[in-house]
Amino acid sequence: SYVLTQPPSVSVAPGKTATITCGGNGIGSKIVHWYQQRPGQAPVLVMYYDTDRPSGIPERFSGFNSGSTATLTISRVEAGDEADYYCQVWDGTGDHWVFGGGTTLIVL
Amino acid sequence: QVTLKESGPVLVKPTETLTLTCTFSGFSLSNVKVGVSWIRQPPGKALEWLAHIFSNDEKTYSRSLKSRVSISKDTSTSQVVLTMTNMDPVDTATYYCARIRCSSVSCLSGARYYYMDVWGKGTTVTVPS
Repeated sequence: SYVLTQPPSVSVAPGKTATITCGGNGIGSKIVHWYQQRPGQAPVLVMYYDTDRPSGIPERFSGFNSGSTATLTISRVEAGDEADYYCQVWDGTGDHWVFGGGTTLIVL
Repeated sequence: QVTLKESGPVLVKPTETLTLTCTFSGFSLSNVKVGVSWIRQPPGKALEWLAHIFSNDEKTYSRSLKSRVSISKDTSTSQVVLTMTNMDPVDTATYYCARIRCSSVSCLSGARYYYMDVWGKGTTVTVPS
């Protein structure tokens, strides 16, 4: 089955840029969505269709998808961005949704 | 405003069947380009998709759980029900329901164009060992 690989954690200082990667075989040909999950809360959609931001999500959040890696970039990181981030794709071969293992963003 | 709320038992014994209900408002499952998914998250672990159902009653299940999971909808009461048979301690998790929608011109091309845009707060289910 299709596997999405994310780094367990990413650390960044406030005000800097964080890049969270999501690796998968030919992921560039798939549509990637990203979810933010703050501790003790339900996930929230922060990026869909690779690069689209839902209303209410700051412009500091951006996405990119090409080749074997999709990325979620958060610029001017704030303490409130500290959370787990999950990428997701639809695996057409297996006919099911796949989530990455999640990345914990640590704001130093 | 779109909201979803999960409800069901907090504790389920091994081998029993779990029944969870997702009650939603702010949208209708009789509308096209809309559906509801169930996702779970064991303590300290990643999200795992379980099943989804669309307005046309199309259903898809996780391959690993397909033999144990069933999803259904009641459009008149705005509810989606998930049942999972033969519960085991490894099924201990927070269970979420989420609206799935499509805003692409290619919605009819399949689930790949859908995303989970609004989630419920989740309900925790424990299966004791």
